[in-house]
Amino acid sequence: QSVLTQPPSASGTPGQRVTISCSGSSSNIGSYHVYWYQQLPGTAPRLLIYRSNQRPSGVPDRFSGSRSGTSASLAISGLRSEDEADYYCAAWDDDLSGPVFGGGTKLTVL
Amino acid sequence: QLHLQESGPGLMKPSETLSLNCTVSGGSISSHDFYWAWIRQPPGKGLEWIGNIYYSGRTYYNPSLKSRVTISVDTSKSQFSLKLTSVTAADTAVYYCTAPQYASPAAIDYWGQGTLVTVSS
Repeated sequence: QSVLTQPPSASGTPGQRVTISCSGSSSNIGSYHVYWYQQLPGTAPRLLIYRSNQRPSGVPDRFSGSRSGTSASLAISGLRSEDEADYYCAAWDDDLSGPVFGGGTKLTVL
Repeated sequence: QLHLQESGPGLMKPSETLSLNCTVSGGSISSHDFYWAWIRQPPGKGLEWIGNIYYSGRTYYNPSLKSRVTISVDTSKSQFSLKLTSVTAADTAVYYCTAPQYASPAAIDYWGQGTLVTVSS
């Protein structure tokens, strides 16, 4: 059971906007930035969002992140077939003294 | 641009000790900017942090694995390593070596391709 809670699945049609939530506690999201990772099938995760709402170079501006209190969310607008992947949230956790991850959300593009 | 590559056995028996190496290229393993870390992912499941090491040798382990884990760094070979003792089927996973940012250890820009370790009798 993961420390951060994500819905196991999400879906949308091409062009739609989807959001993925990530819920934590005061020892992680409530105190620290959130990071989002995209994992395409058979590949290693890729950093998608850092410091809750910043995009690394090369990440399309269709991807955006936000954080409020002990929750965070990832939004994907203009959904494309290549966005079909697993998405993980992560944050530093004081109780673990290490990073914690969500259980992952499988995004299906219908 | 850092490149990380895992190496080690793919199949193990219960009670054996898992040993994996990660070779770092494209940058210095003595960099002050990164930790060197291991993360694993059981088949069809999420990501689990195993532990970090800084170039100085200072280590940080997940408490749930701490009694069985050792992470070390060999700067002369530009490698860092993972040892996990007394493995069971629950340790079957893809093991990734990674380079979290020192300033933000949950920010991981660099990942190895991952190596699947299967524990089976």
